[in-house]
Amino acid sequence: AQSVSQHNHHVILSEAASLELGCNYSYGGTVNLFWYVQYPGQHLQLLLKYFSGDPLVKGIKGFEAEFIKSKFSFNLRKPSVQWSDTAEYFCAVTHTGGGNKLTFGTGTQLKVEL
Amino acid sequence: SQTIHQWPATLVQPVGSPLSLECTVEGTSNPNLYWYRQAAGRGLQLLFYSVGIGQISSEVPQNLSASRPQDRQFILSSKKLLLSDSGFYLCAWTQGLGLTYEQYFGPGTRLTVT
Repeated sequence: AQSVSQHNHHVILSEAASLELGCNYSYGGTVNLFWYVQYPGQHLQLLLKYFSGDPLVKGIKGFEAEFIKSKFSFNLRKPSVQWSDTAEYFCAVTHTGGGNKLTFGTGTQLKVEL
Repeated sequence: SQTIHQWPATLVQPVGSPLSLECTVEGTSNPNLYWYRQAAGRGLQLLFYSVGIGQISSEVPQNLSASRPQDRQFILSSKKLLLSDSGFYLCAWTQGLGLTYEQYFGPGTRLTVT
C-alpha cells in the first residue's frame, strides 16, 4: 500500500523567510501528487497538483512544488512567507489504478510570526 | 457553484452511544463522495467512498458504516462509539473517478468520544 511521509510536523517561521516542507511517498508506479492547505476555520483546499509534464508546478498564493521521481519526493516551497500563510499543509497521493482515493500525509502545522 | 455541507461541526458523545454525521453536496449531480478521518497525530485516512446511491466501498475495517440514501447525501454512522472513534471527520466530493478530478472538502466534524 502506498504511504506519504511529512517529516516536519510543526514549523515556525518569521515573515519573509523561505519555506520548504518535505513530502515523500512510497509507491513504485505512476503517481499524482497534491498539496492541500487548511487555513484556520476554513475548508481543506487544493494548493497545487502534479499529474504529468513539468515537474515544477506552481500553485496559488506563490507556492510551488517540485516532483523528483528518483527521490520519491514532492516538496512544497515558497520564497517568502507571509503571516497569512499560517495553516496546516497536507501532502497527498493517488496512483494509477487506485481510483481517485487520496492517501494523505500527517500534515505540517506552519506558523508564521510577524 | 457547488458547495458541501457537514453537520454537526462539533460533537461530544459518550462511549457506547450511536453516531450519525451527515454530508450533503449542492450544485452538482452524481458526485463521488468520500469520508475521511484524521485521528490525533495521524494523517487523513480514507474510510468510505461512494460512486452512487446505495454503493459504498469500505477502505478500513472499523466500527463505522456509511450510507448514501440520496444522490447528494452521504451519512457516516456507528451503533456504538469507541474511544478510538474520536477524530476529525471530513466529507469530500469529486465529479468522477478519474485522477484529474480535484476533491473538494467540507468543513469537517470534530468528534470527541468520552
